[in-house]
Amino acid sequence: DIQMTQSPSSVPASVGDKVTITCRASQDISRRVAWYQQKPGKAPKLLIYVASNLQSGVPSRFSGSGSGADFTLTINGLQPEDFAAYYCQQTNSFPLTFGGGTRVEIK
Amino acid sequence: QLQLQESGPGLVKPSQTLSLTCTVSGGSIDTSAYYWSWVRQHPGKGLEWIGYIFHSGDTLYNPSLQSRLTMSIDTSENQFSLKLTSMTAADTAVYYCATFPRKTYQWNFDRWGQGTLVTVSS
Repeated sequence: DIQMTQSPSSVPASVGDKVTITCRASQDISRRVAWYQQKPGKAPKLLIYVASNLQSGVPSRFSGSGSGADFTLTINGLQPEDFAAYYCQQTNSFPLTFGGGTRVEIK
Repeated sequence: QLQLQESGPGLVKPSQTLSLTCTVSGGSIDTSAYYWSWVRQHPGKGLEWIGYIFHSGDTLYNPSLQSRLTMSIDTSENQFSLKLTSMTAADTAVYYCATFPRKTYQWNFDRWGQGTLVTVSS
């Protein structure tokens, strides 16, 4: 199975900040990664697919980058509704696997 | 707009079998465009992919659960289901049904149900 390691596990931030979350795969997965946002008590929401493609309806302050084994989710200009948990997922092979999550918290 | 809704018991006794159903609305489950899947999330933890079923009935399960897992699909009812046997406390989780497109290497979940909490306890 491909292991996905996210860091940090939590990040304190303020409204307006730039936040960067990283995800490292245990092997080369090209650009086959997706990113999700999850708020308490809710299902995850797809933000980014194929490393850098913004899902329809997702604000442009979210962006993704990376290839190979290292990937980044960036939030430019954090908004109040962005305080949530974020997960990466590899879409390279089955079984599909997720990172452990990063919680963006109010500083 | 495709919508998914899980249903099933919130409480299961140890060693029993969990049965969950996902009802799809806003579109047909009998399509080659999507895989129908289950994902679970242990309390306060990350996400675990359980398996998928295709409209044809073809399945692929997570090897970690394969020996206890059966998925089925009912195209006439627009539903798909999960059965997980020999439940233990380690299976306590929120269970989501979700779907991802049949596009190679774009196996990202773009539609989710709201999730249902399943607790294993006597």
